[in-house]
Amino acid sequence: EPEVTQTPSHQVTQMGQEVILRCVPISNHLYFYWYRQILGQKVEFLVSFYNNEISEKSEIFDDQFSVERPDGSNFTLKIRSTKLEDSAMYFCASSEGGSISGNTIYFGEGSWLTVV
Amino acid sequence: SQQGEEDPQALSIQEGENATMNCSYKTSINNLQWYRQNSGRGLVHLILIRSNEREKHSGRLRVTLDTSKKSSSLLITASRAADTASYFCAPTSYNQGGKLIFGQGTELSVKP
Repeated sequence: EPEVTQTPSHQVTQMGQEVILRCVPISNHLYFYWYRQILGQKVEFLVSFYNNEISEKSEIFDDQFSVERPDGSNFTLKIRSTKLEDSAMYFCASSEGGSISGNTIYFGEGSWLTVV
Repeated sequence: SQQGEEDPQALSIQEGENATMNCSYKTSINNLQWYRQNSGRGLVHLILIRSNEREKHSGRLRVTLDTSKKSSSLLITASRAADTASYFCAPTSYNQGGKLIFGQGTELSVKP
């Protein structure tokens, strides 16, 4: 079964450093998402991406964050200057169509980011 | 944007028993999805039920939807230790774009 793959599975970074988390969505999918989950808390929406642009973002997704689909297959999340509170599991997800239309959103296994 | 509120927050049962988890939401929906998350893992889609459906089955899973009460339930029959996970409902409606919003979930523990 096709799956969303994420790299790295775990990254430790110094506060203030830039981090890029990578995702390969399912190949025929058109909608892409990033979510995050701080340890012990609920899964939070960060951003959705469609047709090469951000379609929606949450309050968490401030100027420190950016997303890109550089080559038509990868979908990346960049955190420009990491803070301790950015430590979390980051999940990439994709869907063929919007969830409103009944399309399933498929999630990757996550990238665990630890900021020290 | 609306999220589902799962109840109970935690549920502990013996292997072989049935597990029922409930979800309530506030405004009218287009569909509602249930997901499972094993500890430290990604979310796995279980089942989607549309607003014009009342019940749906998938293997040992049975989902019901009552739009008049704005609630849904997920029943896992003959539970197994491998069903131990957190379960989330995610209602979707036209005014929230394509994203899913997750609540705190129900943490299910199935003891062998």
